[in-house]
Amino acid sequence: EIVLTQSPATMSLSPGERATLSCRASQSVSTFLAWYQHKPGQAPRLLIFGASKRATGIPARFSGSGSGTVFTLTISSLEPDDFAIYYCQQRSNWPITFGQGTRLDIK
Amino acid sequence: QITLKESGPTLVKPTQTLTLTCTFSGFSLRSREVGVGWIRQPPGKALEWLALIYWDGEEQYSPSLKSRLTMSKDTSKNQVVLTMTNMDPVDTATYFCAHELYDIMTGFNSFDIWGPGTMVTVSS
Repeated sequence: EIVLTQSPATMSLSPGERATLSCRASQSVSTFLAWYQHKPGQAPRLLIFGASKRATGIPARFSGSGSGTVFTLTISSLEPDDFAIYYCQQRSNWPITFGQGTRLDIK
Repeated sequence: QITLKESGPTLVKPTQTLTLTCTFSGFSLRSREVGVGWIRQPPGKALEWLALIYWDGEEQYSPSLKSRLTMSKDTSKNQVVLTMTNMDPVDTATYFCAHELYDIMTGFNSFDIWGPGTMVTVSS
């Protein structure tokens, strides 16, 4: 099973700042990696698939990069609605696995 | 517009079998490359993938839960059913179903639309 390790576990930033979230895979997943945003009591929201492709309706301030084992989700300028938990997920090998999440808090 | 909604009991007793139904609209499980997955989230913990069923009947299960999980689909009712046997308090979680998108242009799969989730508590 491919293990995804996200860092940091928690980050505290202010609106307008740049957020850089990391996801590291225990073995190469090529670019078969997605990022999701999850708020309590809501359904997760797909942000990025194929490591760098924004899903439909996702603002341009969200960007993804990386390949192989190291991936980054960048939020260029945080808006109040962006404070949530972010998960990476690999779709390279069975079983599908998720990272443990990065909680993005308002500073 | 694709929507999904999970339904089932909110409380089950240990050792009982859980049956959850995902009712969806806006797509058909007769269509090529379409899948419906199940994911859960225990309170305060991360998302965990459970199972996925495809348009052609292919099923994939989490190895750690495979012996306890079964899925079925009813394309006429636009429903997918997940059963989990021998429930335990550690199975207490919010259970989500999700549409799996296969992007033909890029060849990537992802869960693009999720249901709101249903909370299941396992307790005697």
